[in-house]
Amino acid sequence: EAGVTQFPSHSVIEKGQTVTLRCDPISGHDNLYWYRRVMGKEIKFLLHFVKESKQDESGMPNNRFLAERTGGTYSTLKVQPAELEDSGVYFCASSQHLGESYNEQFFGPGTRLTVL
Amino acid sequence: KNEVEQSPQNLTAQEGEFITINCSYSVGISALHWLQQHPGGGIVSLFMLSSGKKKHGRLIATINIQEKHSSLHITASHPRDSAVYICAGEGGGKLIFGQGTELSVKP
Repeated sequence: EAGVTQFPSHSVIEKGQTVTLRCDPISGHDNLYWYRRVMGKEIKFLLHFVKESKQDESGMPNNRFLAERTGGTYSTLKVQPAELEDSGVYFCASSQHLGESYNEQFFGPGTRLTVL
Repeated sequence: KNEVEQSPQNLTAQEGEFITINCSYSVGISALHWLQQHPGGGIVSLFMLSSGKKKHGRLIATINIQEKHSSLHITASHPRDSAVYICAGEGGGKLIFGQGTELSVKP
């Protein structure tokens, strides 16, 4: 079974440009999460989808970030326009379902974004 | 102050040593995850626990709900254990991460 995949693995863009990151979760996983690690800091939550709906987007830094998950399969995270402080590693994770048991999240390899 | 605090941030050990990484968390955390990231690698879930103790091979994770504290132990450490170990608290369906512990095991 394929794990969580992310594309691209690296992206270098200039300030003011637009970048779109993609995450393909494990097939059948309803929950999809985006996280970000900026240099020297801990990984921070960005948002959580349940199928195609945004369950929690409290971690999105500002309105330059737009996440979508049309059809409840893959997700995209667009940054427009990118700023220097957006540089970091963006992780995606997926899990099966929320219920009484705690759910293991499976992480993708991350996309390293560098804004120059 | 972060809701999840890990210590130490860096740890160097000799092969064979017993290693302990600690994690303290605040209220609102219902479960604790331990994750591992090898250099250049992805993040892998090691344990997820809400009470007691779990063991997998040479790795042991414990949690004390009353004290809001968890530990990750590695017995008979090996250079291949060198990685960043991250504890993350689950609260409200999302993970709140500690800063990570960078472990280096020397042969």
